[in-house]
Amino acid sequence: GQSLEQPSEVTAVEGAIVQINCTYQTSGFYGLSWYQQHDGGAPTFLSYNALDGLEETGRFSSFLSRSDSYGYLLLQELQMKDSASYFCAVSSGSARQLTFGSGTQLTVLP
Amino acid sequence: GAVVSQHPSWVICKSGTSVKIECRSLDFQATTMFWYRQFPKQSLMLMATSNEGSKATYEQGVEKDKFLINHASLTLSTLTVTSAHPEDSSFYICSAEPGHQFQETQYFGPGTRLLVL
Repeated sequence: GQSLEQPSEVTAVEGAIVQINCTYQTSGFYGLSWYQQHDGGAPTFLSYNALDGLEETGRFSSFLSRSDSYGYLLLQELQMKDSASYFCAVSSGSARQLTFGSGTQLTVLP
Repeated sequence: GAVVSQHPSWVICKSGTSVKIECRSLDFQATTMFWYRQFPKQSLMLMATSNEGSKATYEQGVEKDKFLINHASLTLSTLTVTSAHPEDSSFYICSAEPGHQFQETQYFGPGTRLLVL
């Protein structure tokens, strides 16, 4: 089966940088995705890493190390609107099913 | 691009009734769609993988006779919760994968909140 570990909560102040780590155990790994979910909303896609290295998209970056079964999401120049839950998810299996981590609740303080 | 819609967004029903939720990919064709369920303060749990033109694949512990999935076309999948009970109250979310993109990303619908009284 698949399992993912990520911190349950992170708190930071506006303008700061936050890194949310994710370690995983899976078979048939294709890639690691990150999703953001605000209270009451559906997940929105942030990034996807299939290969080792860093992917940058604006204020958000995501990193993957396949050999370490580890990745992280880096959020820079934090804004209040970034307060949300962040999920890492591995895609695996013949249908590229997503298995989600338990989520990290990010709280951005003024 | 890559927009997924769900209907209805909210459902309140009496125990014992059946509820159908539609998931549509609006600007792309999706051979595969996925159905998730999320309870408050918990993660998304994959319920089933919906394949156009064939039977859905259910995850362990998900009753296929209770959660009927039909993938009638490349842009529409439906989930029917049969004989719903209060414990079925949850946030149901579908996703679809365009398939042709390198990133193999799943795009999620806005979700359907089901409350069974």
